[in-house]
Amino acid sequence: SAVISQKPSRDICQRGTSLTIQCQVDSQVTMMFWYRQQPGQSLTLIATANQGSEATYESGFVIDKFPISRPNLTFSTLTVSNMSPEDSSIYLCSVEISGFSYEQYFGPGTRLTVT
Amino acid sequence: KQEVTQIPAALSVPEGENLVLNCSFTDSAIYNLQWFRQDPGKGLTSLLLIQSSQREQTSGRLNASLDKSSGRSTLYIAASQPGDSATYLCAVAVGTYKYIFGTGTRLKVLA
Repeated sequence: SAVISQKPSRDICQRGTSLTIQCQVDSQVTMMFWYRQQPGQSLTLIATANQGSEATYESGFVIDKFPISRPNLTFSTLTVSNMSPEDSSIYLCSVEISGFSYEQYFGPGTRLTVT
Repeated sequence: KQEVTQIPAALSVPEGENLVLNCSFTDSAIYNLQWFRQDPGKGLTSLLLIQSSQREQTSGRLNASLDKSSGRSTLYIAASQPGDSATYLCAVAVGTYKYIFGTGTRLKVLA
């Protein structure tokens, strides 16, 4: 398994601003993922973050809105840019560590409220 | 396009009952299926992972089964406790590293 931490745990932001969320893992992992969970909804994958390459975004998500960095094998950031109230969600990072079972482990999430 | 549905959406049971949560998926071409627990405002805790070649997995009072041909999985919780109250999510791995999540079942176990 892996221990994953996220910062901040929650934040309240004004529309038009940006927030960067950090994800730290206690071991080196190849694959890191960013998910969004809108109020009352299930999880939706935003992008896959590989170390040393550009993130791969899912349909409906673009780099200008959700830029991602992956500087090393234990750390990633997700920025939510030019926020609007519709961006109010829980943002979660996850990792896949085994390389075989595709089992994913999740961080505690960042609860974002945009006013 | 893979779709994952969970029934029921919400469930309230008295303490001590055995219960079954259902998960269905439309495309049987999956790598695995994973059950998670999510407490309010929190992240996800992995409960059980079933590989596509497996039929079931057990951990303590939890048992998960997988029937790929029918596109179904069940999570059985024995002797439910108030501490089991949470939202339970199933997710299928549809490609390398990509999970599709179900809509979740909100469980409340009454003391």
